[in-house]
Amino acid sequence: SQTIHQWPATLVQPVGSPLSLECTVEGTSNPNLYWYRQAAGRGLQLLFYSVGIGQISSEVPQNLSASRPQDRQFILSSKKLLLSDSGFYLCAWSDSMVPLHFGNGTRLTVT
Amino acid sequence: GQQLNQSPQSMFIQEGEDVSMNCTSSSIFNTWLWYKQDPGEGPVLLIALYKAGELTSNGRLTAQFGITRKDSFLNISASIPSDVGIYFCAGQRTNSGYALNFGKGTSLLVTP
Repeated sequence: SQTIHQWPATLVQPVGSPLSLECTVEGTSNPNLYWYRQAAGRGLQLLFYSVGIGQISSEVPQNLSASRPQDRQFILSSKKLLLSDSGFYLCAWSDSMVPLHFGNGTRLTVT
Repeated sequence: GQQLNQSPQSMFIQEGEDVSMNCTSSSIFNTWLWYKQDPGEGPVLLIALYKAGELTSNGRLTAQFGITRKDSFLNISASIPSDVGIYFCAGQRTNSGYALNFGKGTSLLVTP
């Protein structure tokens, strides 16, 4: 069966520091991968998605970037965090047969 | 992407009551999904619907794909305290490719 791992679970970072959140999927090949952000208002905002290695689509212009160095690895990064980057970040995957499944999320607090 | 209209925004009910929530859109969808999110965790898929008119159950949960393809509802029967959480609907439009459109969630509180 497929599983998705996301880490760290929580992170506190100062403004201006870099960010790297990692997500890996097991048990499938060539999945579609996604990064979502969930603010206090509960809505799920799609940030990036990828349909293959090196292919990244950005949905919202922002201070963040994403990379997919391997088939089942998806990384969310920032060079300099802003206060407004605080939130709950969710990695997710899907494929042609399986609807969207989420990881357990990373709670990011920028201080 | 387009936000779905999900209602109600919140519900406060007593254990044993039935619950109903729905999502509507001005656009046609070819897939409807319902998720539940517990505090501090990622949303978990409850039910997936792929055909207009489809009615699917998962234990005490029942969801339907509206025949117009622009709406879906989720019912929870005989609610229990562990049903507490935020419920999200999500729809995928026919030509949207890979991304889903999400509702803003229904927060459910159940008192014993």
